Amino acid sequence: SAVISQKPSRDICQRGTSLTIQCQVDSQVTMMFWYRQQPGQSLTLIATANQGSEATYESGFVIDKFPISRPNLTFSTLTVSNMSPEDSSIYLCSVRTSGNTGELFFGEGSRLTVL
Amino acid sequence: AQKVTQAQTEISVVEKEDVTLDCVYETRDTTYYLFWYKQPPSGELVFLIRRNSFDEQNEISGRYSWNFQKSTSSFNFTITASQVVDSAVYFCALSEGYGGATNKLIFGTGTLLAVQP
Repeated sequence: SAVISQKPSRDICQRGTSLTIQCQVDSQVTMMFWYRQQPGQSLTLIATANQGSEATYESGFVIDKFPISRPNLTFSTLTVSNMSPEDSSIYLCSVRTSGNTGELFFGEGSRLTVL
Repeated sequence: AQKVTQAQTEISVVEKEDVTLDCVYETRDTTYYLFWYKQPPSGELVFLIRRNSFDEQNEISGRYSWNFQKSTSSFNFTITASQVVDSAVYFCALSEGYGGATNKLIFGTGTLLAVQP
């Protein structure tokens, strides 16, 4: 398994602003995955972040809105840009450990509320 | 295309009752993984179990058991003698391939389980 820490755990933001979420893992991992969970909904994959290359975005998500950095094998950031109330969600960072057995381990999530 | 269906949106039981959470999946792949996660009110997703597509043997872990049936594309989760601490949203998920580094998980819509004292 892995210990994944996210910051901030929660925040209240104003419309039009941007917020960067940090994800720190206690071990080196190849891939990091960013998910969004809108209120009362399931998890939707935003993008996959590989160290040293551009993130791969899922349909419906674009880099201008959700820029991602992956400077090393233990850290990643997700920025939610020009926020609107529709961006109010829990944003979760997850990793697959080096065993590649399939399961993802998740951080505790960052709960964003946009007013 | 991959799809995971959890038809039960909410289930309410009284403590000590047994409860089964249903999960039906769709995939064109012959090799895949299935998962169950628990999301308590605190919000963190807790990994419960992984099952690969070639292993249909049912699994039991304490009060938890899982029934995987490829013939019906189902991977159901049973909690025996439920407890209040089992109250959470439970997600079923699917990953095609054998856990390659880039393989993503597709989640069902979740089932909210409320266990009343």
